[in-house]
Amino acid sequence: SQQGEEDPQALSIQEGENATMNCSYKTSINNLQWYRQNSGRGLVHLILIRSNEREKHSGRLRVTLDTSKKSSSLLITASRAADTASYFCATARTGANNLFFGTGTRLTVIP
Amino acid sequence: DGGITQSPKYLFRKEGQNVTLSCEQNLNHDAMYWYRQDPGQGLRLIYYSQIVNDFQKGDIAEGYSVSREKKESFPLTVTSAQKNPTAFYLCASSNQGTKNIQYFGAGTRLSVL
Repeated sequence: SQQGEEDPQALSIQEGENATMNCSYKTSINNLQWYRQNSGRGLVHLILIRSNEREKHSGRLRVTLDTSKKSSSLLITASRAADTASYFCATARTGANNLFFGTGTRLTVIP
Repeated sequence: DGGITQSPKYLFRKEGQNVTLSCEQNLNHDAMYWYRQDPGQGLRLIYYSQIVNDFQKGDIAEGYSVSREKKESFPLTVTSAQKNPTAFYLCASSNQGTKNIQYFGAGTRLSVL
């Protein structure tokens, strides 16, 4: 079963603006990961945040995690047209060996 | 180049036919996974394998079969029992101790003739 739900399902912004995507999940986790998928391609790992971390940065990416609310957000700053893709959160559930993927947010960055 | 190779990129299945999707990795990863993705949807786990000669069913294993005879290879067979096989299939691998970070192939798009 899919663990996470992303919000919004679709997001359209102008180049240079920031994009924020949210993910909610249901059970306790070891870590939460964000992946990117270009149309018709495989997923690429972007960033991982552990359950005992609250915020993490990588380049233009900022991820937050609130385990009390079972939610995470991904912020992409100064967006570029090349950021156009679908973004998925995935949770490594406590006691499980595999990841559980959310439904994804489709981001369109308009040049 | 290190990575995961899926083949073919496109595959067509006739009624009542079994088809096999190939997945090969040269990352020396222990674990491998098969996912199904329907248009505009997330990934659903079909099967996964943590070690050679062992595999477990995921959420939607019915109509699919796998084998793991070699560490590098994890082929997926879509059997005639899978009545709605049209989808994008993704293979992934990961290594123990890397927090379940998964590396994906480019996918196989399966359609029914």
